[in-house]
Order: sequence, then C-alpha cells, then structure tokens
Amino acid sequence: QSVLTQSPSASGTPGQRVTISCSGSNSNIGSNYVYWYQRLPGTAPKLLIYMNNHRASGVPDRFSGSKSGTSASLAISGLRSEDETDYCCAAWDDSLSGWVFGGGTKLTVL
Amino acid sequence: EVQLLESGGGLVQPGGSLRLSCGASGFTFSNYAMTWVRQAPGKGLEWVSAISGRGDSTYYAESVRGRFTISRENSKNTVYLQMNSLRDDDTAVYHCATGPHVRAIDHWGQGTLVTVSS
Repeated sequence: QSVLTQSPSASGTPGQRVTISCSGSNSNIGSNYVYWYQRLPGTAPKLLIYMNNHRASGVPDRFSGSKSGTSASLAISGLRSEDETDYCCAAWDDSLSGWVFGGGTKLTVL
Repeated sequence: EVQLLESGGGLVQPGGSLRLSCGASGFTFSNYAMTWVRQAPGKGLEWVSAISGRGDSTYYAESVRGRFTISRENSKNTVYLQMNSLRDDDTAVYHCATGPHVRAIDHWGQGTLVTVSS
C-alpha cells in the first residue's frame, strides 16, 4: 500500500480538463515539495512537475501542479489522446528520510 | 541530454547477491544525488536508497536497510547498488534516478529487472 494516496483511475473526453489528486501527510506533502511523473508503458518515468508547480522542460502548459496542505493535484487541460497513460506523485518524507510515492492514476481519454 | 543506463539485473536465488550499476552521462555527475527506485510486478514505485553527490550521505528504505548498500564512483560517473540476502519480494524492475539533491528526482533510467526465485 502506497504512502501517498491517488485514485486508481481518472477519465475525460478530448479537450476537457481533468484533475488527479494526491493525498499525503504532514511529514511528506505537508513539508516537502511534490513531484509528478508520467509513466508510459515500458519507458522510464518522465518528470512533468517539480517543486509543486513548476513544469519540467518541454512539458506543455496544459499540465499544471498545485499543492495545499497535505494534498496536491495535477491538472491536465485540453485533454489529448496521447495523455492516456499513468501518472504518479511523489514527495520526500521527513519521518522516513526517504521518498514516498503514490500508487499511480491511470488516465483514460474517452 | 541526461542519460542513465542500468545494468546488472538478472535471476538470482533467495539469499543470493547481485550488484546493480547505473552509468550516467549528460550532466556533472558529482554535483547530483543518485537514487534507486524499484517497481515490483503489479505494484507501484518503491524508493530503495539514495546517495548524495559527494557520497558522504546515504539513505535506505527500512525494507532493505542492512542488506543493500549504495555507493558511487564519481570518476566513473557510476552509482552502484549492492544487494545481499535477496528475498522473493525484492523481485522488481530497479530504476536509477537523479536530481540536484536527494530530495529531488528529475531524470530516470529505464530500469533493470531483478528476479529472485529458486
């Protein structure tokens, strides 16, 4: 069971805006930056968002991140078919002195 | 372009040992922390270990502490994960990753598969 909680699935139609949430605790999201990764099958995880809300190089501005308290969100606007894949959140945990990850959210573009 | 290439995975019996390597290029290796993260079949990502750029600070997940050792050779742009007393539940794809410090992960390698089975 993952330390950070994500809904297993999310969906939207092309052009829509979808939000993927990530819930943690004071020792991780509450006191450290949140990172978001995109996971395409058979490939290395790709950084989308770092330090809560900064887009990584080359990431379209359709992707945005936010954090409030012990929760974080990844928003994808103008949904496209190529966005259909898995998304995972992560943060450093002060109690564990290590990283914790969400279980991942599979995004389906209907 | 940052590139990370893991090697050393394979099939090993329970109780056995394996050493993973991760060669890096495209950045000043000694300035960056290195991290190992694994993903067991059907499971999510699990952090394993991290090491600072100079190698003077190391961190381990509770599940591997005392069995795994992370190290790095900055002259060779390589980070290692020595895995001893391997168990069935260590079976996973092991990714190396990097960031400007241990609390950041910016780039990942594709991973190498470790299978622990008799």
